[in-house]
Amino acid sequence: EVQLVESGGGLVQPGRSLRLSCAASGFTFDDYAMHWVRQAPGKGLEWVSSISWSRGSIGYADYVKGRFTISRDNAKNSLYLQMNSLRAEDTALYYCAKDLLQGGTHPTNAVDIWGQGTMVTVSS
Amino acid sequence: QSVLTQPRSVSGSPGQSVTISCTGTSSDVGGYNFVSWYQQHPGKAPKLMIYDVSKRPSGVPDRFSGSKSGNTASLTISGLQAEDEADYYCCSYAGSYTFVVFGGGTKLTVL
Repeated sequence: EVQLVESGGGLVQPGRSLRLSCAASGFTFDDYAMHWVRQAPGKGLEWVSSISWSRGSIGYADYVKGRFTISRDNAKNSLYLQMNSLRAEDTALYYCAKDLLQGGTHPTNAVDIWGQGTMVTVSS
Repeated sequence: QSVLTQPRSVSGSPGQSVTISCTGTSSDVGGYNFVSWYQQHPGKAPKLMIYDVSKRPSGVPDRFSGSKSGNTASLTISGLQAEDEADYYCCSYAGSYTFVVFGGGTKLTVL
């Protein structure tokens, strides 16, 4: 079964850091680009960051650029999101997601597998 | 404020058809044939319904179809069923710098 399981969320004070992890199983992890997408409570989907299978193509939304860093360990079938200088507006459910396209040089906007998300709450 | 503009809500009766629009710019929707649509039921993860403007992933009913004209993409759901009631989000590739942009979402109510 194809599965993505996020972890690492929690309550954190503004300005502090948090590292999210996503464990992938059931597919050849290093064949696919991966994404982080977030959803604030009661709000819509918001793209955060993407990374190609080779790490050669990485992108960030403007509102996290310079604060968040995406990475992956293909040997461990894992995706990560290092979040620094957290703000109240970063409060959201963070989804790990798999790209539809196998072997693409760049991430696409087609995501076929989603995790259940890990909640990040930034509050003092 | 979302980059792509969607109506906040649409509604239809069972068996009818509804169309959800998604308006962007020449930098996203109009510039690439890479528009996708996601369905999200309350408390659930999103589900890919359409990609590359009009392609359906395996398992998605052919009642769901996508199209694009200029800077506006559309999702049409024909033969509405109760289980189609959900939030729908459009999404576009926006280049090698921005990558991905989402619409604000549309709540579909099946009357």
